[in-house]
Amino acid sequence: EAGVTQSPTHLIKTRGQQATLRCSPISGHTSVYWYQQALGLGLQFLLWYDEGEERNRGNFPPRFSGRQFPNYSSELNVNALELEDSALYLCASSLFVNTEAFFGQGTRLTVV
Amino acid sequence: QQQVKQSPQSLIVQKGGISIINCAYENTAFDYFPWYQQFPGKGPALLIAIRPDVSEKKEGRFTISFNKSAKQFSLHIMDSQPGDSATYFCAASWGGSEKLVFGKGTKLTVNP
Repeated sequence: EAGVTQSPTHLIKTRGQQATLRCSPISGHTSVYWYQQALGLGLQFLLWYDEGEERNRGNFPPRFSGRQFPNYSSELNVNALELEDSALYLCASSLFVNTEAFFGQGTRLTVV
Repeated sequence: QQQVKQSPQSLIVQKGGISIINCAYENTAFDYFPWYQQFPGKGPALLIAIRPDVSEKKEGRFTISFNKSAKQFSLHIMDSQPGDSATYFCAASWGGSEKLVFGKGTKLTVNP
């Protein structure tokens, strides 16, 4: 069974640009979560999508947004990129919200 | 109240020894406590998880001990192996995988 897949693996953007990160959950999983793993800050919860709806978001500005598609895949958009947005962005999925979350390998975003 | 405090930040253990990582939380609403293992360049992988209705859970060489009154939980790795060298994260949430709050991580090195 395929795990959570994320694309691209690496992304380099210039400050002020927009970045789009993609995530395909494990087959059958309906909940998708996004986390930011910045150096020295650990993993910070960004967004939770379930059944196509945004269910919760962490303490991040509105320029971090996303969506979940009918096939449960998800997209994270980061607008007006800032240097401090450089981080590993991790997507996770779970069968239901009260079951274990499985993470993808992440997208390394570098803002220069 | 949202924090999960993890210690130590780094840990060096000899092969065959016991590795112990501790976490403490404040929010008594937390009822789901997973541990994740992360190798460099990879996403976190779920190791083992516990809910507060049990005080201990064992899976192979990995054991979670949970102390509800002290609001603490710990990971014990028995017979530690060089292949266990990784960063370990504790986490907590209420309900399940929604909005996991992670500790800062412990970098474990197991010397041969």
